Amino acid sequence: AQTVTQSQPEMSVQEAETVTLSCTYDTSENNYYLFWYKQPPSRQMILVIRQEAYKQQNATENRFSVNFQKAAKSFSLKISDSQLGDTAMYFCAFMKHQTGANNLFFGTGTRLTVIP
Amino acid sequence: DSGVTQTPKHLITATGQRVTLRCSPRSGDLSVYWYQQSLDQGLQFLIQYYNGEERAKGNILERFSAQQFPDLHSELNLSSLELGDSALYFCASSPQGGGSYEQYFGPGTRLTVT
Repeated sequence: AQTVTQSQPEMSVQEAETVTLSCTYDTSENNYYLFWYKQPPSRQMILVIRQEAYKQQNATENRFSVNFQKAAKSFSLKISDSQLGDTAMYFCAFMKHQTGANNLFFGTGTRLTVIP
Repeated sequence: DSGVTQTPKHLITATGQRVTLRCSPRSGDLSVYWYQQSLDQGLQFLIQYYNGEERAKGNILERFSAQQFPDLHSELNLSSLELGDSALYFCASSPQGGGSYEQYFGPGTRLTVT
């Protein structure tokens, strides 16, 4: 079974600063995908970034980047130039690479507060 | 706006009752997933449908069932409701295939069982 662990229940960061959210996972699979989702107070789940396990290059989306360490089974999210709108719950998620069934396994989330 | 719609937004009902939650996937997406988000269980996968057929089952109770219709919309039926079924229920959709595995979530249906 796949498990996803987010060991930081809450974090805070000053506006314009950089923050890193941690995620580790456990799997025996070799091919898989990893995702970070953001859930703001509106409760909408918003895809932030994704990483394919077969790619060595870390994914980047504007101010969001990941540090993917496959051997260590670690997948951290770095948010640069933090903005007030980044205040949200952040969920790390794992998906097996397989045809057909592609459900997500989620971590317990990290609540991030951006302080003005 | 993800393009996934869910109705109703809120639902309040009593224990023992039955409710139906509805989801319309993004245009062109063939897969629909249902997730439950509760305070004690976190975000859990319930069930997936692909082009009308069940593809995967997660921690879905026997009191819960789902289906996907020919127009690809999906319904999640919850029966004999208990207080512990109070949660936010999300539907997500994905295109499946073509190397695209992102799931796009609807706004959710908040179910309160009293």
